[in-house]
Amino acid sequence: QVTLKESGPVLVKPTETLTLTCTVSGFSLSNGRMGVSWIRQPPGKALEWLAHIFSNDEKSYSTSLKSRLTISKDTSKSQVVLTMTNMDPVDTATYYCARAIAVSGDNWFDPWGQGTLVTVSS
Amino acid sequence: SYVLTQPPSVSVAPGKTARITCGGNNIGSKSVHWYQQKPGQAPVMVMYYDSDYDSDRPSGIPERFSGSNSGNTATLTISRVEAGDEADYYCQVWDSSSDHPVFGTGTKVTVL
Repeated sequence: QVTLKESGPVLVKPTETLTLTCTVSGFSLSNGRMGVSWIRQPPGKALEWLAHIFSNDEKSYSTSLKSRLTISKDTSKSQVVLTMTNMDPVDTATYYCARAIAVSGDNWFDPWGQGTLVTVSS
Repeated sequence: SYVLTQPPSVSVAPGKTARITCGGNNIGSKSVHWYQQKPGQAPVMVMYYDSDYDSDRPSGIPERFSGSNSGNTATLTISRVEAGDEADYYCQVWDSSSDHPVFGTGTKVTVL
């Protein structure tokens, strides 16, 4: 059974750096067909993709947030870590990690973690 | 950047058919995937397109869910709608030019 679980702080202050960890099980982060993305969802709003790490360790970032994001993975620990700097109240959202399945240059997400709500407030 | 547009809401009576559209420039040339998100829950995939451009459902997703894609519009069709289908639905493609996913704006399906 494939599962992903997000962990990290529930509350961060403005200007602080957020660090989130996605711990996966049931698949290997070195599997050539598997990647992991971070996706967030502000309360009542749509999904917003943030960052992706491929099996070969290549990374891709949202154009609008690229300067604030870093994604990395520790294959031995089955973890993917996302850091976001200079947090602002508008970054308040539920943050999800999701496994990406890659086929012929296409990727879809299955399954998703349960999500973790991060509130940015002083 | 590539943009996917969905209607904000669709209302349907139980037992009828709901059609959720996803518009994008020449989306018919892309693989479109669909997710269902119920209140307070994480999204769940309900439809994906494999490398043969055949739509398929993950295990556990009923055959009432089907997909089509042509021209500038992809459509998720839910037949014989049930109360349990009430949720937000998102389409998604992978933008190969930027090597990242694009999600649609989301559609709230209300079962009357």
